[in-house]
Amino acid sequence: AQKITQTQPGMFVQEKEAVTLDCTYDTSDPSYGLFWYKQPSSGEMIFLIYQGSYDQQNATEGRYSLNFQKARKSANLVISASQLGDSAMYFCAMPRESGGSNYKLTFGKGTLLTVNP
Amino acid sequence: NAGVTQTPKFQVLKTGQSMTLQCAQDMNHEYMSWYRQDPGMGLRLIHYSVGAGITDQGEVPNGYNVSRSTTEDFPLRLLSAAPSQTSVYFCASSYDGFNQPQHFGDGTRLSIL
Repeated sequence: AQKITQTQPGMFVQEKEAVTLDCTYDTSDPSYGLFWYKQPSSGEMIFLIYQGSYDQQNATEGRYSLNFQKARKSANLVISASQLGDSAMYFCAMPRESGGSNYKLTFGKGTLLTVNP
Repeated sequence: NAGVTQTPKFQVLKTGQSMTLQCAQDMNHEYMSWYRQDPGMGLRLIHYSVGAGITDQGEVPNGYNVSRSTTEDFPLRLLSAAPSQTSVYFCASSYDGFNQPQHFGDGTRLSIL
């Protein structure tokens, strides 16, 4: 069974510093992808970044990048130059196959990031 | 740009009452899904649909029904509400499956007394 693990319930970072949020996964699928979503205190879910297992390079989107280590089954989110608006809950998620071509989506339990001024 | 619209935003029910959470998207997405979010549990998939007329169960389907009569709408029904169904419910959609970024609605906060 697929599993997503986020081991950091909460993280603190100083404004303008970089922070890494951990995500490890377990899957038997030969091809897979990993997503990161942000949930601010207002409650909406915002897509941040995606990494495919066969992508040659780590994904980057502005200040967000993925430290993808396939052998270690980890896809850590790196936020550079943290801003106060980065304070939010962050979720790692993985689609998983459930028979045939239908996929489902499994989320980790999330990491609450607080950016201090 | 409406995206994914959920109604209502808040609701309080009594145990045993029924209700329907509405979800509509205007992006012509084939895939739609419902999640519940509980403290410390992340999001868990309740039901999903790969197109009009096709639905399937997710991780936590018990106590919930869905139907997909049109591409745009994917309502979630609670037939007999229980306190354990107190949660925040999210509807999401994507064009071609879970291997693409999901577009989420703003959520419905549901309390069952």
